[in-house]
Amino acid sequence: EVHLVESGGGLVQPGGSLRLSCAASGFNFRDYWMHWVRQVPEKGLQWVSRIDHDGYSTNYADSVKGRFTISRDNAKNTLHLQMNSLRAEDTAVYYCVRDVGTSIGGSWCKWFDPWGQGTLVTVSS
Amino acid sequence: DIQLTQSPSFLSASVGDRVTITCRASQVFSSCLAWYQQKPGKAPKLLIYAASTLQSGVPSRFSGSGSGTEFTLTISSLQPEDFATYYCQQLNSYPLAFGGGTQVEIK
Repeated sequence: EVHLVESGGGLVQPGGSLRLSCAASGFNFRDYWMHWVRQVPEKGLQWVSRIDHDGYSTNYADSVKGRFTISRDNAKNTLHLQMNSLRAEDTAVYYCVRDVGTSIGGSWCKWFDPWGQGTLVTVSS
Repeated sequence: DIQLTQSPSFLSASVGDRVTITCRASQVFSSCLAWYQQKPGKAPKLLIYAASTLQSGVPSRFSGSGSGTEFTLTISSLQPEDFATYYCQQLNSYPLAFGGGTQVEIK
């Protein structure tokens, strides 16, 4: 069974750092792009970042660019999110998700499946 | 950037009702749109991908349609376990945006 388990969340002061991890199992991790998505409690979903198979290509939401770094260790089937210069507005549940896709009508189309259970990051003094 | 607007943001319905949720995009894009269901305290779960393809294991009462800038999620006969929040997502270009969500509650 495909499984994603996040860890590393917690309480951190504004300006501080935190490193999230996501342990993947049940699939060939190195074959998939991976993403982080966050959700402010009781609010909507926000895409944060993505990384390709090898870790050489990444994208970030403007709100985290320059502060967050996504990385992966394919030997350990693990995805990471290094979060620096944290702000109160970064408080959220952070989900690790797998990027799945297929060719449809000549175009590559993708979706997120599965999602991890999430880890809560609280930025507060 | 492509923005998605879901409507309604909240709806109250009864078991057995037909429910339709709309997701409108700020610009035309390929039909790389997904729908997710989220229950309180749980992670989102994939329902539909590529606008109209039902994910394996998802009940057939769920269906998706649309193209261009307007997409819909339909639940043909609402069941008690369907009361949740639903999100659309565009996966055509970065940043990958989600709609604001539609909370479906029991009337």
